[in-house]
Amino acid sequence: SQTIHQWPATLVQPVGSPLSLECTVEGTSNPNLYWYRQAAGRGLQLLFYSIGIGQISSEVPQNLSASRPQDRQFILSSKKLLLSDSGFYLCAWSASSGGATDTQYFGPGTRLTVL
Amino acid sequence: AQTVTQSQPEMSVQEAETVTLSCTYDTSESNYYLFWYKQPPSRQMILVIRQEAYKQQNATENRFSVNFQKAAKSFSLKISDSQLGDTAMYFCASRPSGSARQLTFGSGTQLTVLP
Repeated sequence: SQTIHQWPATLVQPVGSPLSLECTVEGTSNPNLYWYRQAAGRGLQLLFYSIGIGQISSEVPQNLSASRPQDRQFILSSKKLLLSDSGFYLCAWSASSGGATDTQYFGPGTRLTVL
Repeated sequence: AQTVTQSQPEMSVQEAETVTLSCTYDTSESNYYLFWYKQPPSRQMILVIRQEAYKQQNATENRFSVNFQKAAKSFSLKISDSQLGDTAMYFCASRPSGSARQLTFGSGTQLTVLP
């Protein structure tokens, strides 16, 4: 079966510091990968998605970037964090074949607090 | 563009009773999928149920079922025999058909199951 991991689970960082959040998927090949952000008490906002190694699409202009160095690894980064980057970050994966199998499954999330 | 609206920010239900959560959506896509996800206090997003818009039959998963009214663009979730573990934030979401398409989420309904 497929599993998705995220780390760290919790992170507290000062304003202006760099960021690296990691997401890995097991049990599947060539997944579509997604990064979402959830502000407190709100729904999810798609930040980035990737259909393959090195292929990243950005949905919202922002202070963040994403990379996919390996098939099942997705990294969210920032060179200098802003207060507004605080939130709950969720990684998700879906099968690349499309159709009903394209349901997105989420990881456990990372709670980021920027002080 | 797609929009998803959940008009009930909070709801409560007695244990073992039935509750219905409302969701309306708008889309210009001819084919799409609809989802209900739950987010318990752990904040991991968990798929509850999925509906393909081209299927007339309402989806069911054990105690969870949907009432899909395509013409009215309504997609409500019914939870039967509510259990304490059903306490969570519930999000309605939609996605156009096709691989790696964006999920659009509603703002969520906080459901509390009372003992």
